[in-house]
Amino acid sequence: EVQLVESGGGLVQPGGSLKLSCVGSGFTFSSYWMSWVRQAPGKGLEWVANIKQDGSEIFYADSVKGRFTISRDNAKNSVSLQMNSLRPDDTAVYYCARAGAGDYLVWFETWAQGTLVTVSS
Amino acid sequence: EIVMTQSPAILSVSPGERATLSCRASESVYNNLAWYQQKPGQAPRLLIYGASNRATDIPTRFSGSGSGTDFTLTISSLQSEDFALYYCQQYNNWPPLTFGGGTKVE
Repeated sequence: EVQLVESGGGLVQPGGSLKLSCVGSGFTFSSYWMSWVRQAPGKGLEWVANIKQDGSEIFYADSVKGRFTISRDNAKNSVSLQMNSLRPDDTAVYYCARAGAGDYLVWFETWAQGTLVTVSS
Repeated sequence: EIVMTQSPAILSVSPGERATLSCRASESVYNNLAWYQQKPGQAPRLLIYGASNRATDIPTRFSGSGSGTDFTLTISSLQSEDFALYYCQQYNNWPPLTFGGGTKVE
């Protein structure tokens, strides 16, 4: 069974940092783009970041560029999102997602359960 | 940035009826479009990719059509478990990957 399991959410003060992690199983992790997508309370879906299979290409939404860093460890079947300089508008459920099979054709085939990040003093 | 616009925002349908959801892109995305279903408190689930390809284990009552800028998700006979939010997403020209604002089927 293809599965993604996230960890690392929680409450953090504005300006603080938090690291999210996601571990994949049931598929060849190193063969897929991996992504982070977020959803603010009561709002729609917002793409955050993508990382290519070998980590050689990385893309970010403008809203997080320079503050968030996506990385992956294919030996551990894991992808992470380091979030720095957090702001209240970063408050959201963050989803780790695996892309479909197409290279550069990134739809979100499989989603993790989501982890809530709350930025508040 | 490609803007995705979904309509209507809310669709009121009775069980057994047909539901038709629309998604429009601000420029052509060819057939590089996906649809997702999201229920309260759950992660989204992929329904359709490539505009018309059903994802694994998705019932045949779900179908996608369209290309270019105009796309449709059709639920042929609505079941109780289909009442949810639906999002479209383009992946033709990115970054950024962009989603529509969603249609709530109630």
